[in-house]
Amino acid sequence: AQSVTQLDSQVPVFEEAPVELRCNYSSSVSVYLFWYVQYPNQGLQLLLKYLSGSTLVKGINGFEAEFNKSQTSFHLRKPSVHISDTAEYFCAVRRDSSASKIIFGSGTRLSIRP
Amino acid sequence: DAGVTQSPTHLIKTRGQQVTLRCSPKSGHDTVSWYQQALGQGPQFIFQYYEEEERQRGNFPDRFSGHQFPNYSSELNVNALLLGDSALYLCASSPRGSAPREQYFGPGTRLTVT
Repeated sequence: AQSVTQLDSQVPVFEEAPVELRCNYSSSVSVYLFWYVQYPNQGLQLLLKYLSGSTLVKGINGFEAEFNKSQTSFHLRKPSVHISDTAEYFCAVRRDSSASKIIFGSGTRLSIRP
Repeated sequence: DAGVTQSPTHLIKTRGQQVTLRCSPKSGHDTVSWYQQALGQGPQFIFQYYEEEERQRGNFPDRFSGHQFPNYSSELNVNALLLGDSALYLCASSPRGSAPREQYFGPGTRLTVT
């Protein structure tokens, strides 16, 4: 079975500062890793995904994440945040490349202070 | 091209009642997955439909049932509603074809049980 742990439920940061949202996963098999963003009162939008290849993955809105197999981590980073990045961020895993179920973490609320 | 659509947007029901939520997948998508997102939590997988059959199921009671129609749209039915069923219900669709088959999420239906 797979599981996802997001270590911080809330992360406050000042505008234009860098941010890192932490994610660790557990799985006995190879998995695919995702970060989703959920803006207030909206559904989920895919930020980026790691399927294979380069461990540094670049996504939309200037976000990137690094897959670390030895530490079973997939932390999300952005060098300079904007007010518009205020949202809930979910790390997620999927067992394979098919449309199998996605297992989500509990989320990290990113709040940006001006 | 319309994305995944869900109806209704909001719904208020009383304990013990039954509810039906609807999902229309993106054009070219044939697989529909349903997730429940309780307040302050990450989405949890309910079940997935492909070729009008339930293919995978998460840890949800039989009160939760679904259906997929020949046009690939789907319904989620919940019987004997409990207060704990209050949540945002998300539908996700996946395209036909070879892997990887990304899941695209709709905006959700907010269900409140009183």
